[in-house]
Amino acid sequence: GDSVTQMEGPVTLSEEAFLTINCTYTATGYPSLFWYVQYPGEGLQLLLKATKADDKGSNKGFEATYRKETTSFHLEKGSVQVSDSAVYFCALPMNRDDKIIFGKGTRLHILP
Amino acid sequence: SAVISQKPSRDICQRGTSLTIQCQVDSQVTMMFWYRQQPGQSLTLIATANQGSEATYESGFVIDKFPISRPNLTFSTLTVSNMSPEDSSIYLCSVLWTSGNHFPSQNPEQYFGPGTRLTVT
Repeated sequence: GDSVTQMEGPVTLSEEAFLTINCTYTATGYPSLFWYVQYPGEGLQLLLKATKADDKGSNKGFEATYRKETTSFHLEKGSVQVSDSAVYFCALPMNRDDKIIFGKGTRLHILP
Repeated sequence: SAVISQKPSRDICQRGTSLTIQCQVDSQVTMMFWYRQQPGQSLTLIATANQGSEATYESGFVIDKFPISRPNLTFSTLTVSNMSPEDSSIYLCSVLWTSGNHFPSQNPEQYFGPGTRLTVT
């Protein structure tokens, strides 16, 4: 069945470091792919999305490219800030009924 | 997009009691979802709530424990019944926001409420 696999956390980086959080998926067809972010004490926010192969989603300096050949949607940011400390979830919709499958989440700590 | 609010934002409850969580959306939406997020974990879907029909529960969740109401297209409630400490979690509602008129939609997005942090003692 459809599934999402994220790299395990926590990930700890210094401010201005380069960030990659890996995400791979298994799906029937070519679904949209999402990254959600959960800041401390808050609900989830949609960070970015890509709707088809080779699309690049971007927002707040974060980017992710929909790679059909490697079934991946890795999240990247060139220079992280302390305010990026949060939990990041990769997700994809299940085609048949609009439910969304979430990865386990990756907790990111950015040190000043 | 949609703006979603939840009440209460947090609560501390005694075991054996029940708590009803409200979810209000600023737009009419067809599909609403209720999730549980246990400490340090990802989200687990409890049920899908569509207006005018019974909620559809995921495996491991039952209506007697988590009754849901969906009286209109902008509002839903989730009740956590006969609570135990294992029910301590964040409960989140979400809505499906579609960019087209297809069902299932081609580009569905889910928007989430801020969550209700429940502690059962």
